[in-house]
Formats: sequence, structure tokens, C-alpha cells
Amino acid sequence: EDQVTQSPEALRLQEGESSSLNCSYTVSGLRGLFWYRQDPGKGPEFLFTLYSAGEEKEKERLKATLTKKESFLHITAPKPEDSATYLCAVGDSGGYQKVTFGIGTKLQVIP
Amino acid sequence: KAGVTQTPRYLIKTRGQQVTLSCSPISGHRSVSWYQQTPGQGLQFLFEYFSETQRNKGNFPGRFSGRQFSNSRSEMNVSTLELGDSALYLCASRTGSDYGYTFGSGTRLTVV
Repeated sequence: EDQVTQSPEALRLQEGESSSLNCSYTVSGLRGLFWYRQDPGKGPEFLFTLYSAGEEKEKERLKATLTKKESFLHITAPKPEDSATYLCAVGDSGGYQKVTFGIGTKLQVIP
Repeated sequence: KAGVTQTPRYLIKTRGQQVTLSCSPISGHRSVSWYQQTPGQGLQFLFEYFSETQRNKGNFPGRFSGRQFSNSRSEMNVSTLELGDSALYLCASRTGSDYGYTFGSGTRLTVV
């Protein structure tokens, strides 16, 4: 069974203090690794898809990287508006790519 | 471009009742998936529909069912509601298996 473990569960940063969120996964053939951002009371918002080890994607202050066993979401000089829960998910290589989510990391950025 | 629309946003039901939730995907998206989100379990996959056919199913009891119509709109039904069914139910659509989901805002179901 596919599994996704995210750490830490919660992270509190000062504005401008860079850090990384971790996503470890086990999957029967990785077809894609996804990162989402979720604000309170809303559905998750798609950020990135990574397909193979060594791949990197960037969006504003966020950079996602992928290895064979884990992915990192690096947040550079975060701002209070980056506060949210960040979710990692993996799609398996089955015919219709079932997607399994982690529980998420709740990020709070203090001004 | 309209996003994924879920109705209703909030529901309060009594144990033993049944409930139907609705989802309209982004125009052109034929894949619709449903997830249950709770604080302790995160997002748990319920099922996925593509062109009116269920092609993936999660580990939920048979009380949870769904369907998709020819216009790609989808409904999910939960019968004989239990207190543990209280959760945020999220619908998501995507253009294909290699793409990320676009989620709706969810339906918050409370069972009392």
C-alpha cells in the first residue's frame, strides 16, 4: 500500500527565516509527486508535480525537489501570507494512477 | 474559467440518515475524484470517476457510493450516517492522470 509521511507536523518560522518541509514516500512505481497548499476552510491548491529523481520546480519563494525516497519543499525568506498547510501526494504507476496524500505540514510564518 | 463547484457547503444530518453531495468539475475535465478529510487522517481517497465509470476505489464501506453523469458532474452518497462520517468532503477534477487536481472548497458534513 502506498504511504506518504510528512514532517514536521507543524512549523513556526519568523518572517525571512528559510526552512524545508519533508515528504517521505513508498509507492509501487512513482508516476508523479504532487505538492499542494491548503488554506483554512478551502480545498487544496495545486503547486507542483515532480516526475523523476533530480527534478526541481520553483514558484516564487517555493522550490520543490525530488529524490527516489523523498521530496523537499524549500521555503526561502517566507512571508506571513505563506502560512498554510502544505500537502504532499504521490500517484502510483497503476493504470489510473491512484493518488495518496500525506497528512500535511502546518506552516505558520510570524511577522 | 469556473473552478470546481461543490454543493452544499455545509450540512448537518442525524445518525442513520443519508446524504447526497454534488460536484461540478472544471469544464473539459472528465476525471472527478472524491476525498474525505479529517484532522487525524488527512485526505482519504474515496473513489474516482472517468467518463461515467468508476475506475478507482478507496477502502471505505459500501455505505459510500458515487456516480458521474454524462456532463461529468458527480454526486456522492452516504447512507446510514454515523458520527464518524463527520468530515470535510472534497471533490477534485483533473484533465488526465499525469496532472494535478483542482479541488473544490468542499462540503462540511456534521453528523449529530
